[in-house]
Amino acid sequence: DAKTTQPPSMDCAEGRAANLPCNHSTISGNEYVYWYRQIHSQGPQYIIHGLKNNETNEMASLIITEDRKSSTLILPHATLRDTAVYYCIVGAGGTSYGKLTFGQGTILTVHP
Amino acid sequence: DAGVTQSPTHLIKTRGQHVTLRCSPISGHKSVSWYQQVLGQGPQFIFQYYEKEERGRGNFPDRFSARQFPNYSSELNVNALLLGDSALYLCASSRPGQGAREQYFGPGTRLTVT
Repeated sequence: DAKTTQPPSMDCAEGRAANLPCNHSTISGNEYVYWYRQIHSQGPQYIIHGLKNNETNEMASLIITEDRKSSTLILPHATLRDTAVYYCIVGAGGTSYGKLTFGQGTILTVHP
Repeated sequence: DAGVTQSPTHLIKTRGQHVTLRCSPISGHKSVSWYQQVLGQGPQFIFQYYEKEERGRGNFPDRFSARQFPNYSSELNVNALLLGDSALYLCASSRPGQGAREQYFGPGTRLTVT
């Protein structure tokens, strides 16, 4: 699985958009970008994933650059409950096997 | 729908003992994965099972073993516990026909080895 690089921490004001970057310059053609978050003392929570097109769901939007070497997770209107560690993970999208390789992630703190 | 459930929630064991952790996946999910999360670090992959067969194993010693039952629930066993095995043990499930990396995690079992 390709390696990812994320900033260790970010701050965001409540109600504003939170834009979390991720670099994955060695990503290969069949590898997806996955985002998870982990709120303190809970298990990680799946947010969104994508291959090359931008994706949006009820939680967030995922913007992947055309060369696929980086991506940005966007929380459009951050709330205090979005304070968490956010993990960007890259891996092939197999249906029967697929481990998640977590790095250190980005600690997002949303301020009132 | 019920999420992934794990038992027990907390556990305290002594060095050298054995422990069994249990996981029930979301209904309809056939793949179960186990992760270890030491304080301050991201989760580390231990095992993945799909249709009762081991499909992947992380870099953990043979003291760690797991199995998946016909109802897709799973057990993680750790023998000869060491202080360093103290961690949050997470179970995750994913559904067939969907990417195995789209995983849904349980709340974890907090294991303390003294």
